[in-house]
Amino acid sequence: AQSVAQPEDQVNVAEGNPLTVKCTYSVSGNPYLFWYVQYPNRGLQFLLKYITGDNLVKGSYGFEAEFNKSQTSFHLKKPSALVSDSALYFCAVSHNTGGFKTIFGAGTRLFVKA
Amino acid sequence: NAGVTQTPKFRVLKTGQSMTLLCAQDMNHEYMYWYRQDPGMGLRLIHYSVGEGTTAKGEVPDGYNVSRLKKQNFLLGLESAAPSQTSVYFCASNPGQGRFNEQFFGPGTRLTVL
Repeated sequence: AQSVAQPEDQVNVAEGNPLTVKCTYSVSGNPYLFWYVQYPNRGLQFLLKYITGDNLVKGSYGFEAEFNKSQTSFHLKKPSALVSDSALYFCAVSHNTGGFKTIFGAGTRLFVKA
Repeated sequence: NAGVTQTPKFRVLKTGQSMTLLCAQDMNHEYMYWYRQDPGMGLRLIHYSVGEGTTAKGEVPDGYNVSRLKKQNFLLGLESAAPSQTSVYFCASNPGQGRFNEQFFGPGTRLTVL
């Protein structure tokens, strides 16, 4: 069965420090991986995706993610966190069944302290 | 472009009442989805559609019905609301090449069933 795990409910980081939000996945075949961000009282917004090619994917707002096939991970990273990065982050995997459904992780809340 | 819009933004129902949530997209997307978001559970797929006139069940379809009579609209109905359906509902759309493309989300509808 396809699944996505975000092992941390919450991540705390000081402004200016690097941040990592972890994601592991289980999927048959090639994974198509996504990160979304949700700000309070808003819908999810797309950050970045891995389809194929380079393992390091760059996305919006200075975020990047590293695909690691051997560890089945797709961790979200940013070299220097901003207070405005505080939000709820979702990892997701898409698979080819019917309507190409996407499975979302439970989400990780990121708090960046000034 | 307005993107994906949802109506209404908030609603309070009594147990047993019915209602319809409307999702509209102006991007000519083929695929549309309805999710519910509950604390600690991420997003769970209720129903989805791969084109006008088609619908299919997702992960948690019980108690909900959907219709896609026009390509740009995807309606979610609750025939007899229950307190367990208290949630935030998100609609999303996808251009139609499924797994390769990210989803575009609406702002959400916060539903409370008393």
